[in-house]
Amino acid sequence: NAGVTQTPKFQVLKTGQSMTLQCAQDMNHNSMYWYRQDPGMGLRLIYYSASEGTTDKGEVPNGYNVSRLNKREFSLRLESAAPSQTSVYFCASRGPINEQFFGPGTRLTVL
Amino acid sequence: GENVEQHPSTLSVQEGDSAVIKCTYSDSASNYFPWYKQELGKRPQLIIDIRSNVGEKKDQRIAVTLNKTAKHFSLHITETQPEDSAVYFCAASMRNQAGTALIFGKGTTLSVSS
Repeated sequence: NAGVTQTPKFQVLKTGQSMTLQCAQDMNHNSMYWYRQDPGMGLRLIYYSASEGTTDKGEVPNGYNVSRLNKREFSLRLESAAPSQTSVYFCASRGPINEQFFGPGTRLTVL
Repeated sequence: GENVEQHPSTLSVQEGDSAVIKCTYSDSASNYFPWYKQELGKRPQLIIDIRSNVGEKKDQRIAVTLNKTAKHFSLHITETQPEDSAVYFCAASMRNQAGTALIFGKGTTLSVSS
């Protein structure tokens, strides 16, 4: 039981490049989330998915897209990366009594 | 939408003292309030949570209190130890037609010196 996994752990991009952050959970949870964490800003919700086939915008969705591929996987895509998207990205899934479990994070730098 | 304010942003205490972190929220429909601890370079970990039908919850040295009328909740850590040093985040649930999500405060950096 790996919980929530994320790939890659680290990534460096140049401005304008695209990439997809992968997230998977093996706890059979319906809801999954993407957050970004910046110094002094806490965890800000980017997008979430209440169930397979549904997604909705969070607090800071601009510049991102998501795909809920199946119940296990929820990916985050940056189509044209910008330096303002330099951050640590966390994926999470929600258990049956509302508790959220976080993945280990992806540290992204956009030059 | 939901907005969560957290204070203080930094807190320094001596080992053995108590630490209190306070949060306020804006959405009266929120009904779930977790607290997370994040050590440097690691993922946030749930340490305690409280639901709207309860006023207080304890787990060993940590406790959380909730005042729904005033829309604020607090984390209390007693007999602090150096290993309590970390960033602590509060959160409040937000629910709409799309589902349920958490909105987080900006965090409190707790430093416990021995």
